[in-house]
Amino acid sequence: AQSVAQPEDQVNVAEGNPLTVKCTYSVSGNPYLFWYVQYPNRGLQFLLKYITGDNLVKGSYGFEAEFNKSQTSFHLKKPSALVSDSALYFCAVIPPEGGGADGLTFGKGTHLIIQP
Amino acid sequence: DGGITQSPKYLFRKEGQNVTLSCEQNLNHDAMYWYRQDPGQGLRLIYYSQIVNDFQKGDIAEGYSVSREKKESFPLTVTSAQKNPTAFYLCASSIAVGRSYEQYFGPGTRLTVT
Repeated sequence: AQSVAQPEDQVNVAEGNPLTVKCTYSVSGNPYLFWYVQYPNRGLQFLLKYITGDNLVKGSYGFEAEFNKSQTSFHLKKPSALVSDSALYFCAVIPPEGGGADGLTFGKGTHLIIQP
Repeated sequence: DGGITQSPKYLFRKEGQNVTLSCEQNLNHDAMYWYRQDPGQGLRLIYYSQIVNDFQKGDIAEGYSVSREKKESFPLTVTSAQKNPTAFYLCASSIAVGRSYEQYFGPGTRLTVT
């Protein structure tokens, strides 16, 4: 069965500094990887995904993520953090077709706090 | 205005009662999903449906039931058999069955059972 690990419960970054939210995964075959963001008491919003191709994926709101197959990682990054980026971030994985249930497997989430 | 709607936003029930959570989408998406979110545990898949009149169990289906009689609707019933029903429930949809498609989430329903 697939799994996702987000090793940091919380990440604190000063506004204007680069940010990284870490994610590692375990899945058979070549996975599809996703990042979502959740604001308080709201649903999840899609940020970006890796399906195939270029290992650096660009997404919404200036976020990007780097797929590293050898390290089984998919870290979320942004060059310059904004206070409005403060939220709960989820990494998710799904195996390719035929690899089990169709739903996403989520990490436990990382609280990102951007300090003014 | 397209999207996924979930109602109600907050729901309170007494232990032993069944309760149904609504999920409607006007995105013309084929696939729909139900997830449960608990603090510090991320989201876990309850049920999913790829087409009308078909649905599959996810990782934590015990104590839950669903139906998919219409493409745009995927209600979730939390039965009295669910031992710990208090949680935040999220409905999602994706444009097609393929796993490369991102899922779009509704605003959620917070269920409290006392």
